[in-house]
Amino acid sequence: ETGVTQSPTHLIKTRGQQVTLRCSSQSGHNTVSWYQQALGQGPQFIFQYYREEENGRGNFPPRFSGLQFPNYSSELNVNALELDDSALYLCASSFGGGAGQPQHFGDGTRLSIL
Amino acid sequence: SQQGEEDPQALSIQEGENATMNCSYKTSINNLQWYRQNSGRGLVHLILIRSNEREKHSGRLRVTLDTSKKSSSLLITASRAADTASYFCATDVSSGYALNFGKGTSLLVTP
Repeated sequence: ETGVTQSPTHLIKTRGQQVTLRCSSQSGHNTVSWYQQALGQGPQFIFQYYREEENGRGNFPPRFSGLQFPNYSSELNVNALELDDSALYLCASSFGGGAGQPQHFGDGTRLSIL
Repeated sequence: SQQGEEDPQALSIQEGENATMNCSYKTSINNLQWYRQNSGRGLVHLILIRSNEREKHSGRLRVTLDTSKKSSSLLITASRAADTASYFCATDVSSGYALNFGKGTSLLVTP
């Protein structure tokens, strides 16, 4: 069973730039959720994709957007980067939509904004 | 905003001792989950307890849930140095698609 993989592991950008983060879900899973974790904080829900559709969204501005592909892998895109976007971005996969099952997390992408 | 809040924020114990972490939350839930995070890594699911359950066990882990007090506890028995990590509770609220995490408890187990 292949686990959740995220790329890249680290990324450095400057304010105003755009970034794309990638996530491959665990085999057999059709749901991907993205979370932002600032230093010393718990993860904050960004959005969830279920069967290629956005299934729910947290309190993040529209410059945070995403995609899910037919193989259920996913991308997180962030436009007009701000200093506060510096964080660990985590994706989690599961089966069946929602959050009522254990979530399987990748090791995240560490994004630093200069 | 964060739904759950863990207590204590930090806990330091010796190997062999038990570790207890508590979680309080604000609104009604469908289920509550506990996760572990080693430094710089992703979260690992430990246990899920549904709102109609009161206690669950998994190996050295024991989780209780008191929905009347909106609280949960995680007990790790016979702690090992490898248990050193941050522990988070997460609630699945009525929206159903998001997990709401607390700020976590940082556990240090010394040999």
